[in-house]
Amino acid sequence: EVQLVESGGGLVKPGGSLRLSCAASGFTFSNTWMSWVRQAPGKGLEWVGRIKSETDGGTTDYAAPVKGRFTISRDDSENTLYLQMNSLKTEDTAVYYCIPDRGYFQHWGQGTLVSVSS
Amino acid sequence: DIVMTQSPDSLAVSLGERATINCKSSQSVLYSSNDQNYLAWYQQKSGQPPKLLIYWASTRESGVPDRFSGSGSGTDFTLTISSLQAEDVAVYYCQQYYTTPFTFGPGTKVDIK
Repeated sequence: EVQLVESGGGLVKPGGSLRLSCAASGFTFSNTWMSWVRQAPGKGLEWVGRIKSETDGGTTDYAAPVKGRFTISRDDSENTLYLQMNSLKTEDTAVYYCIPDRGYFQHWGQGTLVSVSS
Repeated sequence: DIVMTQSPDSLAVSLGERATINCKSSQSVLYSSNDQNYLAWYQQKSGQPPKLLIYWASTRESGVPDRFSGSGSGTDFTLTISSLQAEDVAVYYCQQYYTTPFTFGPGTKVDIK
């Protein structure tokens, strides 16, 4: 059974940083492209970015609103995905989900809430 | 970026009646080399993460009731709930995965009339 457990969310001031983690199990993490998707309170879904598997180059791709501020990385030895978020803005407030990326998103965890407020 | 729009914003349907949600992409999401539409549908109930219903525009995810169906091609797509049940009350999103940035529609809220 695929399990995705996001953690690391919390309250942070504008301009601050936060690192989210996602512990994955139930599938071959190292072979899997992974994405982050977020959802602001009461709003719709927004793709944040993705990282390819190392065998496919391990490259990353980001949505324009987060490019240059967010960094996705992975530790295949620990089956863990990361999202480093810097220069946070109030509009980054959202629940963040990590998801195996098949283009479509088949498996979702419960997400972790990031609140950016002074 | 491919912009996804949905209509209506919300709809209320009687139990057992049909619900139809439309999704339109600003450019085609049909990949000619494999004749596949890179379009998915999700259901999100209150307080829960989204759930995948349909991918490749019309392929039902395992375990999804057959009252849910997807159709369309190119830029115009439809999610149909053939006989609305109480447990179908949710917000429904379409998503294109033809190219990054992947983009979602704004959602359609479905309620019971």
